[in-house]
Amino acid sequence: QKEVEQDPGPLSVPEGAIVSLNCTYSNSAFQYFMWYRQYSRKGPELLMYTYSSGNKEDGRFTAQVDKSSKYISLFIRDSQPSDSATYLCAMSSSSGTSYGKLTFGQGTILTVHP
Amino acid sequence: NAGVTQTPKFQVLKTGQSMTLQCAQDMNHNSMYWYRQDPGMGLRLIYYSASEGTTDKGEVPNGYNVSRLNKREFSLRLESAAPSQTSVYFCASRILPLYGYTFGSGTRLTVV
Repeated sequence: QKEVEQDPGPLSVPEGAIVSLNCTYSNSAFQYFMWYRQYSRKGPELLMYTYSSGNKEDGRFTAQVDKSSKYISLFIRDSQPSDSATYLCAMSSSSGTSYGKLTFGQGTILTVHP
Repeated sequence: NAGVTQTPKFQVLKTGQSMTLQCAQDMNHNSMYWYRQDPGMGLRLIYYSASEGTTDKGEVPNGYNVSRLNKREFSLRLESAAPSQTSVYFCASRILPLYGYTFGSGTRLTVV
């Protein structure tokens, strides 16, 4: 079983929809959670960064972390065609032999059609 | 401000040939990483350098070597390329552990 599981999709939504992207994980030591966005033929870029549980909002994007369920989510409100990309979750711990090691999900391919 | 620069962007090799992928960052980051990205496999860590002068194996190091030339540059070498090394290679850097990565734009390598 992988440490981080992410539904690869693909996910196709109409413009303006609310998008929910999710990852589950098994390592309870993970405390730092990130979302990366990767456009076609480009490198991933950091989109959201959160520590421990709770919510973080940045414009149309909201990241949620539920450590009790080992589940993280990224919500995109009023989705736009420019949001079409692959979204990767990533996480790391601040303790033990995995200190600082970033573990990625497989990525979810999202298409927002006009 | 270029960020992380990778060269070349594309390369086709014949089986058994060697090549070096170059990576340079201008953000004064301490740590640098090499990943490969394959369909259905996600990003897999090949090698990393936590700081200048150190290198360590990642998840899939076989068939690769690395050199941390200085704080800015981290190269990845394929000594004898194999078709299984056909992939997209990304270099990344970060200033400190637990911070996010900055990625380069990738090198698309095909081994025939």
